[in-house]
Amino acid sequence: DVKVTQSSRYLVKRTGEKVFLECVQDMDHENMFWYRQDPGLGLRLIYFSYDVKMKEKGDIPEGYSVSREKKERFSLILESASTNQTSMYLCASRGQYSNQPQHFGDGTRLSIL
Amino acid sequence: SQQGEEDPQALSIQEGENATMNCSYKTSINNLQWYRQNSGRGLVHLILIRSNEREKHSGRLRVTLDTSKKSSSLLITASRAADTASYFCATRSSASKIIFGSGTRLSIRP
Repeated sequence: DVKVTQSSRYLVKRTGEKVFLECVQDMDHENMFWYRQDPGLGLRLIYFSYDVKMKEKGDIPEGYSVSREKKERFSLILESASTNQTSMYLCASRGQYSNQPQHFGDGTRLSIL
Repeated sequence: SQQGEEDPQALSIQEGENATMNCSYKTSINNLQWYRQNSGRGLVHLILIRSNEREKHSGRLRVTLDTSKKSSSLLITASRAADTASYFCATRSSASKIIFGSGTRLSIRP
C-alpha cells in the first residue's frame, strides 16, 4: 500500500514565523500535491510538483512556497505565517498517469496564533 | 467557485438504509472520482469513472455519471456505521489538476 506521511499531526506557530510542513511518500510517485482544507470550501490546491525540482502553482499559492529536492519528499513553506493560514493541510501523491488516484496523508492541523 | 459541488451537504440515515450523494460540475471532464474522509484523517480514493462510462460498481458502491447533465451520483447500499464519513467528488479536466467539491457529511445512525 502507498504510504504518505506528514511530519506533524498538529502544529502551533506564531504570526511572522517561517513554517515548514514536510511530506514523504514511499511509492516512487512522480506527482505530489499540497492542499488546504477549510470548512465549507473543500480542498484547495496550493502547489503541486510533477518531478524533482519542478513545481507549479495551484489555485491559492499566495503566501506559500514549496521545495522538492528529492522525489519522495515535498515540503510546504509558509514564508511568514499569518492567522488566515490556520487550516488543515493535506499532502497527496500520485503516479505518472492522470487517471490514477491520489493518495493522501493524514493531514497537519496548523494553528497560527 | 468549486468545479464539483456535492448535494446534500449533510445526510443522516439509519443503518441498513441506502445513501445517495450527488455531485454537479461545470466544465467538461476526463474523469470523476469519489473519495471518503474519516474524521481527522486524509482522503481515501473510492472509485473512478471515466467520461465515456455511465455506471460503475465496487462492492456496495455504485457510481453513475451523466455528462449531458454534468452530474454524478454515489450510492452506498446497506449502510453501516463505518460508512460515517465525508464524501467528496473530484473532477479532472487537465492532466495534472483535479478539483474537489466541498463534500457531503454522511452520518449513519445505529
